[in-house]
Amino acid sequence: GAGVSQTPSNKVTEKGKYVELRCDPISGHTALYWYRQSLGQGPEFLIYFQGTGAADDSGLPNDRFFAVRPEGSVSTLKIQRTERGDSAVYLCASSLTLGHRGELFFGEGSRLTVL
Amino acid sequence: AQTVTQSQPEMSVQEAETVTLSCTYDTSESNYYLFWYKQPPSRQMILVIRQEAYKQQNATENRFSVNFQKAAKSFSLKISDSQLGDTAMYFCAFMKHNSGYALNFGKGTSLLVTP
Repeated sequence: GAGVSQTPSNKVTEKGKYVELRCDPISGHTALYWYRQSLGQGPEFLIYFQGTGAADDSGLPNDRFFAVRPEGSVSTLKIQRTERGDSAVYLCASSLTLGHRGELFFGEGSRLTVL
Repeated sequence: AQTVTQSQPEMSVQEAETVTLSCTYDTSESNYYLFWYKQPPSRQMILVIRQEAYKQQNATENRFSVNFQKAAKSFSLKISDSQLGDTAMYFCAFMKHNSGYALNFGKGTSLLVTP
């Protein structure tokens, strides 16, 4: 596609529910990143992929968070047993190669609200 | 760990004027990248300018330039001839060179350009 696409744009869920957020990167980009942006803060790194494998998942806050990229393109961020503190904008980005001199292309994010 | 500090939560500038946004960082790395990313209300982060730490010359991209002071660990962004479309959040970010491809972002500076 022309840019990084994220769905849904907005998601409201209840505490304890399961949520999936999807990211479709720019075609041909091998690296994909997930960040979380809480209100009034800068984005915080969660995980990045090179191809299908998670190259670094050190930013995932706990084992309720999991992400996959089974075919090296689309990625899904999965959050189990959601908590109110998970409310944030989840940003996805892709780059031509891993790191690629920091030139990441971001999507518009998925705003998650946990009631 | 690297930390990025933006000490100006909000800034305002009149159209056509010049404004400087401040950023300091802390790292023990000798080689790294520094960035300014812009986030307009649409939430999509866009790379504004990049500086490689081993380059002494300050990066310039059209109306945007940086003042990189490696010894002082300072990296400010100057926007010349400000335009209404420059209104956005601006984030300073750090990335290690050739390892650990996560971007570390500051908390951001909200810039308002007024007519």
